[in-house]
This record gives sequence, structure tokens and C-alpha cells, in this order.
Amino acid sequence: TQLLEQSPQFLSIQEGENLTVYCNSSSVFSSLQWYRQEPGEGPVLLVTVVTGGEVKKLKRLTFQFGDARKDSSLHITAAQPGDTGLYLCARTSNEKLTFGTGTRLTIIP
Amino acid sequence: DTAVSQTPKYLVTQMGNDKSIKCEQNLGHDTMYWYKQDSKKFLKIMFSYNNKELIINETVPNRFSPKSPDKAHLNLHINSLELGDSAVYFCASSQDSRGLGNTIYFGEGSWLTVV
Repeated sequence: TQLLEQSPQFLSIQEGENLTVYCNSSSVFSSLQWYRQEPGEGPVLLVTVVTGGEVKKLKRLTFQFGDARKDSSLHITAAQPGDTGLYLCARTSNEKLTFGTGTRLTIIP
Repeated sequence: DTAVSQTPKYLVTQMGNDKSIKCEQNLGHDTMYWYKQDSKKFLKIMFSYNNKELIINETVPNRFSPKSPDKAHLNLHINSLELGDSAVYFCASSQDSRGLGNTIYFGEGSWLTVV
């Protein structure tokens, strides 16, 4: 199983700060998705990236797909307490979605 | 209206018991899944079904038996529960199992604790 490594594993920052979390693999992705999971709920899709170098923005969230399609990053500007959650990247292969190890983000008011 | 609903949300049971978790989706999707999330929050696929047919079985013990009576339902039955089965089990669905960027919709999870 090709593991998707996410870093950092845990991140706790003050409201208003910026942050970046990463998703890395040794193999090429055909596509990559980012999900956010809030406590007590299931993961919810945030974005899908397909093309190497692609950048997508979702309000204060900026997603980037690496040129070689082996890595991705999620940047949050001016973090808010509502951004707290588990952020998961996932790749599609062999008709299944394989999730990364996750980043647990806590925004302190 | 909940798109993917699963019951029960919480389940505490003794080792050796048999239990079932039910899942229903009202999105008209063809594919349904069961995922397991362990205590470290690692989310891993267990099974997927497309139009009631098993597509993926990820080396899950035989004690786990999924059943799909129709494409809107995918239930999970677990025999002889073990302590290591304690986890959150997520049902999910998608329009189909193929294609890039297929969106998967998850239920709220069923928190299973085996004591």
C-alpha cells in the first residue's frame, strides 16, 4: 500500500495566523482530494485537483497540486476557530479512495 | 434530509457478540462503501459495492460481512466481535466507482466500542 504522508500530524495555532499543511507520496497521483472532518462527523470533500501545478482557492483556503503530481499543499489564511478539524488528503486508484495519515488542526480563539 | 445515514451512531457491546450497522443513501448513487477509522484517525476502506455487487474487499477478516439488498443500502454485519474491532465505521456513497475526482459522501459514522 502506497502511503500518503501528511504533515504536520498535529497543528495548534492562534486565530488569525496563517498555516500550511502538506500531503506527500512517492508515487504519482491521477487526482487528489482534500477532505475536512469535524469531530463526530464524517469527512466532507473540500476540493479535487487533477492537473500538475494546479491551484484552487476556496475562500481562505488555497490548494496546490505539485508539478510532478506527487504532493499537494493546503494553505489557510487568517485561520478561524471554524477551521478546526482533521484534514485528510486522498488519492484515487484502482477504484478506491486511499486516505492520508491526516493533520489535526486546532485554531485557538 | 440526510444524504447518507447510518445506524446506530453509538454501539457498545461485549466481546464475542454479533452486531450489525445499517446504512442507507438517498442520493441515487450506484456505489457504496464501508470505511474504518481507527483511534489514530486513520481512515481505511473495507468494502465497496457497485449496484449490489462487491467490488473491493480490502483483506478484511471473514467476521465482517457486508450485505447490499439494493443499491441504496449497504449493511455491515460483524460476527464474534473482538476488542480490536473498536473503531468508527463510516458508510459512504458515490455516483460510481470510477473516474477522476469522484465525490464520495460520508455518513456521520457509527462509533463501535467492544468491551
